[in-house]
Amino acid sequence: DIQMTQSPSSVSASVGDRVTITCRASQGISSWLAWYQQKPGKAPKLLIYAASSLQRGVPSRFSGSGSGTDFTLTISNLQPEDFATYYCQQANSFPPNFGQGTRLEIK
Amino acid sequence: HLQLQESGPGLVKPSETLSLTCTVSGGSVSSSSYYWGWIRQPPGKELEWIGNIYYSGNTYYNPSLKSRVTISVDTSKNQFSLKLSSVTAADTAVYYCARHDSPAVTTPLDYWGQGTLVTVSS
Repeated sequence: DIQMTQSPSSVSASVGDRVTITCRASQGISSWLAWYQQKPGKAPKLLIYAASSLQRGVPSRFSGSGSGTDFTLTISNLQPEDFATYYCQQANSFPPNFGQGTRLEIK
Repeated sequence: HLQLQESGPGLVKPSETLSLTCTVSGGSVSSSSYYWGWIRQPPGKELEWIGNIYYSGNTYYNPSLKSRVTISVDTSKNQFSLKLSSVTAADTAVYYCARHDSPAVTTPLDYWGQGTLVTVSS
């Protein structure tokens, strides 16, 4: 199985800040990576697929980059609704494992 | 607009079988364009992919759960279902059904149900 490791586990930031979350795969997955946002009591929401493609309807302040084993999710100009937990998921091979999550909190 | 809705008992006794159904509206489980999956999340923990199914009945299960999981599809009811046998307290989680965004096993999940909490307790 491919293991996905996110860092940091949690981060504090203020409205208007720029935040970067990292996801590392235990082996190369090309660009087969997705990012999700999850708010308390809600289902995850797909933000980015294929490492850098923005899902329809997702604000452009979200961006993704990376390939191989190292990936980043960047949120620019943080908005109040962005405070949530973010998960990466590899889509390269079976089983499609998730990272452990990064909690984005208000400073 | 595609919607998915999980249903089933919220409480299951240890050693028994957990059974959930996902009803799809605004789309069809008979579509050849998607796989349909189950994911779970223990309270306060990360997401775990359980398995998925194609309209033809082809299934893929997480090796960590494979011996206890069965996923089936009922195209006449536009539903797919999850059974997890021999449950323990470790199976207590919110269970989500979701759609993979293409006809491949490992692709991202673009539509999700709201989730249903299943507690394993006597």
